[in-house]
Amino acid sequence: EAGVAQSPRYKIIEKRQSVAFWCNPISGHATLYWYQQILGQGPKLLIQFQNNGVVDDSQLPKDRFSAERLKGVDSTLKIQPAKLEDSAVYLCASSFMPSGSSYNEQFFGPGTRLTVL
Amino acid sequence: AQKITQTQPGMFVQEKEAVTLDCTYDTSDPSYGLFWYKQPSSGEMIFLIYQGSYDQQNATEGRYSLNFQKARKSANLVISASQLGDSAMYFCAMREPIEDNAGNMLTFGGGTRLMVKP
Repeated sequence: EAGVAQSPRYKIIEKRQSVAFWCNPISGHATLYWYQQILGQGPKLLIQFQNNGVVDDSQLPKDRFSAERLKGVDSTLKIQPAKLEDSAVYLCASSFMPSGSSYNEQFFGPGTRLTVL
Repeated sequence: AQKITQTQPGMFVQEKEAVTLDCTYDTSDPSYGLFWYKQPSSGEMIFLIYQGSYDQQNATEGRYSLNFQKARKSANLVISASQLGDSAMYFCAMREPIEDNAGNMLTFGGGTRLMVKP
C-alpha cells in the first residue's frame, strides 16, 4: 500500500513570495491533515479535512495561508505571501477513520521543508 | 497552558537496555487518547502505540509499552532492549475533541531526542 505522498520535498523562497505544497493521501482515507513543524518543536495542526469539507482550521493563519481538498482526495496548502517565520516542515497526514472516531491513527508523509530567506 | 509536556529534551541509553520517555498531559475531557510517534532524521512521523482513556490495561506493541497512570495524567513510553535504530525524536500526542464536537484533533508535545549508544 502506498503511503502519503508530498511534493516538493524541499523549497527555498524569499519572503513575500508565494509557495504551494501538494499532498496525496493514502487511497480511501477520508480525513486529511496539514501540520506545521517548526525546528525543535512538535507538529502543530493547521487544518483538517474530512472528504472535501473543512473540519477545523482554527489554527490556520488565514490572512496568508489557504488550503483546499478538491474531490476529497489530493490537497494543496498555499502560503501567500511568505514570512521568515513560516520556515518549517509542512507535514501532511491522512487517516481512514472520520475525524470524530475515538481511535484515529494518522499516517504521515515525508514532509516539505520550507526555507524562507 | 501546555497540554502535552515532555520534560526530557534529550536522553541517552545504552544499546540493549530499556528506556522510559516521559509524557504528562492536561485535559478535562473524560474521553481522550494518547499516541506516541517516532520521527527519525528522515522526517517522517511513525506511529508507535496508542492508549485510550478508558482502556483498562496498558498498551503494548512489541518492544514498546505505555505506562499509563491516569490519576497522575502521565503516559510514559517504555522501550525495551534498545537498538541503534531507535535513535530518533519521540513525540507524545493527545487526541481531544474539537469545539462543537466537529471532530478530533491531535496536540503534540515538544518531543524527546533519544540517542542509543553502541
